Amino acid sequence: ILNVEQSPQSLHVQEGDSTNFTCSFPSSNFYALHWYRWETAKSPEALFVMTLNGDEKKKGRISATLNTKEGYSYLYIKGSQPEDSATYLCASPNSGGYQKVTFGTGTKLQVIP
Amino acid sequence: NAGVTQTPKFQVLKTGQSMTLQCAQDMNHEYMSWYRQDPGMGLRLIHYSVGAGITDQGEVPNGYNVSRSTTEDFPLRLLSAAPSQTSVYFCASMSGNNNEQFFGPGTRLTVL
Repeated sequence: ILNVEQSPQSLHVQEGDSTNFTCSFPSSNFYALHWYRWETAKSPEALFVMTLNGDEKKKGRISATLNTKEGYSYLYIKGSQPEDSATYLCASPNSGGYQKVTFGTGTKLQVIP
Repeated sequence: NAGVTQTPKFQVLKTGQSMTLQCAQDMNHEYMSWYRQDPGMGLRLIHYSVGAGITDQGEVPNGYNVSRSTTEDFPLRLLSAAPSQTSVYFCASMSGNNNEQFFGPGTRLTVL
């Protein structure tokens, strides 16, 4: 079983602050790294799928970077807003195949107005 | 498109009962998966399918069966429910390799 870890477990930030959190994964047999946003009482929704070392993706105020050689990805949120409050999951397919995905336990972000 | 749909949304079972959680997608996705979500554990893969007629075990398959007779449907069967199967179950589909997964709304199951 692939070991995908996220830190911190939870985070409180003030509205307007920028923040970032980490996903680490084994660097061998890398397929892809997924980021999902999961709001309370809803289903996870995909933010990014990253496959290449050095990839950087952006969606509005949220961006992510990928380092496959050292096995980590960062998710950044610029100027956090209360609607950014959610759990952010990362996930990676393991050597069993693209569809055999292991999720981290998530970083729960709360943005305080 | 309805996307990924799951029924029921809530279910309470007694230990030893069996039931089927339904999942359907109308996006013609090849890949479908079932996950369970427990506090502090994240999403764990139960079973997955890469196409009609093909299924395989994930991380926590014991106590569950699946089948994939059509591209659209991927039901999850609990053969003899146990309290340890109390969880929220999510079905997801994906169109191909290295693409995002689309999740259903979840089924909250309680086994007494």
